[in-house]
Amino acid sequence: AQSVTQLGSHVSVSEGALVLLRCNYSSSVPPYLFWYVQYPNQGLQLLLKYTTGATLVKGINGFEAEFKKSETSFHLTKPSAHMSDAAEYFCAVKPGGYQKVTFGTGTKLQVIP
Amino acid sequence: NAGVMQNPRHLVRRRGQEARLRCSPMKGHSHVYWYRQLPEEGLKFMVYLQKENIIDESGMPKERFSAEFPKEGPSILRIQQVVRGDSAAYFCASSPSADNEQFFGPGTRLTVL
Repeated sequence: AQSVTQLGSHVSVSEGALVLLRCNYSSSVPPYLFWYVQYPNQGLQLLLKYTTGATLVKGINGFEAEFKKSETSFHLTKPSAHMSDAAEYFCAVKPGGYQKVTFGTGTKLQVIP
Repeated sequence: NAGVMQNPRHLVRRRGQEARLRCSPMKGHSHVYWYRQLPEEGLKFMVYLQKENIIDESGMPKERFSAEFPKEGPSILRIQQVVRGDSAAYFCASSPSADNEQFFGPGTRLTVL
């Protein structure tokens, strides 16, 4: 069984400031990890994913995440927030092969001008 | 290559009516997943289907809900005798294989009056 915990349902940052969205997971086998973004009234768009290999993963729109096995974390970062980054972000986990994807409860990011 | 298509985008039903939600996966994708997103919550897995087969329905309510993915045509999520608690956004995702990332559709927002 797997689970995902996203710390902070709402995060506010100033435009140009660092974005840090936290995600911790539990999985009984080596996991695949994902970050998705959801804009209002839209579906989910994949930002980045970790499957195997390099633990620092770069995604779209300047986002990146680092898989830290010892900390069971997969935090999402962006050096400088842009107004267009305001959205809801979901961390997700699934074991390799087929098993259902488990999503976190989401973090709403607000960017203050 | 068109993305995952869902229709209708918005659906209003009265209590006791039936709701049919359609999902056309991306071209070449034979794996379809349905998720439900309740207000202020993350996505919850409902069912995973391959062509003509239900692989995992562990997230489906025991009654009133059914899903199919026929050999020809879209996948259908059917909710019989809808109740107010069924009001939610229903997302479909598809992938080319079980081990691949899932691509999400824009969702169907069901409102039960």
